[in-house]
Amino acid sequence: AQSVSQHNHHVILSEAASLELGCNYSYGGTVNLFWYVQYPGQHLQLLLKYFSGDPLVKGIKGFEAEFIKSKFSFNLRKPSVQWSDTAEYFCAAPPSGNTPLVFGKGTRLSVIA
Amino acid sequence: NAGVTQTPKFRILKIGQSMTLQCAQDMNHNYMYWYRQDPGMGLKLIYYSVGAGITDKGEVPNGYNVSRSTTEDFPLRLELAAPSQTSVYFCASSYSLTDYNSPLHFGNGTRLTVT
Repeated sequence: AQSVSQHNHHVILSEAASLELGCNYSYGGTVNLFWYVQYPGQHLQLLLKYFSGDPLVKGIKGFEAEFIKSKFSFNLRKPSVQWSDTAEYFCAAPPSGNTPLVFGKGTRLSVIA
Repeated sequence: NAGVTQTPKFRILKIGQSMTLQCAQDMNHNYMYWYRQDPGMGLKLIYYSVGAGITDKGEVPNGYNVSRSTTEDFPLRLELAAPSQTSVYFCASSYSLTDYNSPLHFGNGTRLTVT
């Protein structure tokens, strides 16, 4: 069964710094990968997703993620973060083809002025 | 169109008490889910449902029960509350389970404290 792991628990960046959050997955057949974001006091919402095709996926708010099969990774990136990007970010995937998503432990991003 | 609505927003329970967390969606989604979120642990799936009358266990079902008598509602019941059930509970719904163009729509969560 596919699982995901996030190794960064808390990342602190200054505004305008570049962001890369790690997500590794364990291979389990067809790869479907997601990033969700949870802004303070809000519910989770979808940032971007990968099913197949172009390994570079663009999402909302300037975020992108690259699927690298050889590294089993799906890292989230943003060239220049803003204070409003302060949130918790979750990588997710279905354990197998017909099951609900399982989520990584999350990475808390704090952007400071 | 309210999306996914959870009630209550906050609740404090004493050990051994019971309660039901309510979840309703108005998007005519067949699939509904309950997750719990604990600090540093991400979200864990408690139960899910693929349609009215059908429910299935997730990763952490012990201590919880669910029912799905209508498409719209998916309540989560705690029979004998324990401190380990202190958490934030999120209900979610989706149009499809396998069509990953169908994202999860989350409610705003219920923060439960058991003391």
